[in-house]
Order: sequence, then structure tokens, then C-alpha cells
Amino acid sequence: KNEVEQSPQNLTAQEGEFITINCSYSVGISALHWLQQHPGGGIVSLFMLSSGKKKHGRLIATINIQEKHSSLHITASHPRDSAVYICAVEGAGGGADGLTFGKGTHLIIQP
Amino acid sequence: SAVISQKPSRDICQRGTSLTIQCQVDSQVTMMFWYRQQPGQSLTLIATANQGSEATYESGFVIDKFPISRPNLTFSTLTVSNMSPEDSSIYLCSVRQWSHEQYFGPGTRLTVT
Repeated sequence: KNEVEQSPQNLTAQEGEFITINCSYSVGISALHWLQQHPGGGIVSLFMLSSGKKKHGRLIATINIQEKHSSLHITASHPRDSAVYICAVEGAGGGADGLTFGKGTHLIIQP
Repeated sequence: SAVISQKPSRDICQRGTSLTIQCQVDSQVTMMFWYRQQPGQSLTLIATANQGSEATYESGFVIDKFPISRPNLTFSTLTVSNMSPEDSSIYLCSVRQWSHEQYFGPGTRLTVT
């Protein structure tokens, strides 16, 4: 079973700061997902990665398959970025596996 | 993309009763999953809902407690049976497209008293 570790668990930063959230996993995967969960429970998929790097607006996600590590970066952070960010991995079982989740990073961006 | 709706959005139930949660997707999808998020915790996979056959359950979850149906490629139900306060959680339906894009329903917030 894959072990997914996220760091930090909690992060408070000032508006405008560059934010990095890290995720590591123990077993090879077919894909890694970064998810955002706002208070109230709704979950939005931010990125799905199987290699390299993706960028969407102020968000950047990278993955290093060899090192079993991924990072989510937020540039020019804003209070509306305050949310829980969750790393989740798909097993290498050909797409039939559900996700295994990290415990999430609670991010607060102060004005 | 896929838009997922769940019913009910929330419910308060008495212990010993059962609740069936419905998940409806606006397009045909291959993979559907049910997850549980206990208070203050991250998500845990309950089972994969298989169309036309029995669901595949994760360790710690059994069919008698969480029966799942999936009669077609756009609809599934999860029943939480013989509920106890420990079942108080958010239950989420999720789907995965062939491209590995993942979508989540809005969740059903269940409180068992």
C-alpha cells in the first residue's frame, strides 16, 4: 500500500509570498493528483501529473518519478488561496485503482 | 469534464438506521469510486463501484455495511447500513475519465446521533 506524506501540515503566510507544498510517496504510481478543498468540503482537481511539470495561472506542479516526490507551488499568493491542498496518488495497476491521499496541507494566506 | 451531483447533500440519522446516497454523473464514465472523509481527516477509499457487478471494497470496508450499486455508467448508490455515530463523515462520489482526470461530487455530510 502506498504511503503518501505531505509537508508542511499547516502553513500560514502573508499575501504575495511564494508557497511550496511537498508530497512524497513510497510505491510507484501511474499518476499523481493535486486537489484543493475549501471549507464546506468541495474538492477541486488542480493538476494530474505523470511526469514533468504543469502550470495553470499562479499554480505550478512538478513531479520527479525517480525520487517519488512532487511539489505544488503558488506564486503571488492571495487570501483566496486559503484552503486545504491534498496530494493523492493512483496506483500503477492500470487505472483501476482508487486514490490514496495524503493528510493535506492547511494553507492560510493572510492579507 | 464531468459534473457530479449527490443526494442528499446532508442528513442527520439515528443510530441503527440506514441511509442511501445517490451519485449521478452527467456523462458516461468508466471508473466510479466512493470515499469517506471523517472529521478532521483526509479521504479514504471505501470501494470501486463496478458497473454490472459487485463493488471492489478496500480493506476495512465490507459489503454488508456499505452496499453499493451501479446499474449503469452514470449512476451509483452507496448505503450506510446500521449506522453508528462513528459513521458520521462526509461521503464523496468520484469519477475518473480515461485520461486519468478526476472529478469529485459535492459530498454528503452525514451525522449519526
